[in-house]
Amino acid sequence: EPEVTQTPSHQVTQMGQEVILRCVPISNHLYFYWYRQILGQKVEFLVSFYNNEISEKSEIFDDQFSVERPDGSNFTLKIRSTKLEDSAMYFCASSDGSGTGAGYTFGSGTRLTVV
Amino acid sequence: KNEVEQSPQNLTAQEGEFITINCSYSVGISALHWLQQHPGGGIVSLFMLSSGKKKHGRLIATINIQEKHSSLHITASHPRDSAVYICALDSNTGNQFYFGTGTSLTVIP
Repeated sequence: EPEVTQTPSHQVTQMGQEVILRCVPISNHLYFYWYRQILGQKVEFLVSFYNNEISEKSEIFDDQFSVERPDGSNFTLKIRSTKLEDSAMYFCASSDGSGTGAGYTFGSGTRLTVV
Repeated sequence: KNEVEQSPQNLTAQEGEFITINCSYSVGISALHWLQQHPGGGIVSLFMLSSGKKKHGRLIATINIQEKHSSLHITASHPRDSAVYICALDSNTGNQFYFGTGTSLTVIP
């Protein structure tokens, strides 16, 4: 079964450093998403991406965040200057946009710890 | 304000019991999703609904658009069903996504 792959599974970084979280969506999917989940809290939407541009973003997705699809397979989330409150599990998801099946396929997440 | 309300928050059941988890919402939607989050944190998408009912194995999801309510049912529950079940919405205004706080299900052998 096709999978969404996220790397690394766990990243520890110092406050103020830049981090890049990587995702490889399912190859025939066209819509890509980033979500985050702070420990003990609900999942929150960050951004959606289609046709090489951001289609929607939440209030959380401020100027310190950016997304990119640098080649045909990777989809990255960059956090420019990490803060302690950025510590969370970050999930990537993709969909084919057809509205069929279960909709989205999620990656297994990257646990980001900012110290 | 919570666009998505789930109930119950926590649920403990004996193996074999029929389980219902409810989701009510207050916004217009293009689709509603039921997600399963395992204890290790991974998320699996179970259903995407815009109307009616869907069934997959022992899982059934229903939605009533007029009442803005959805239910997830698990028949013949099993300890491996223990997880957090999350209701999530695709809003029909823009591309907003809303998540419920989840229902933590524990199925005891």
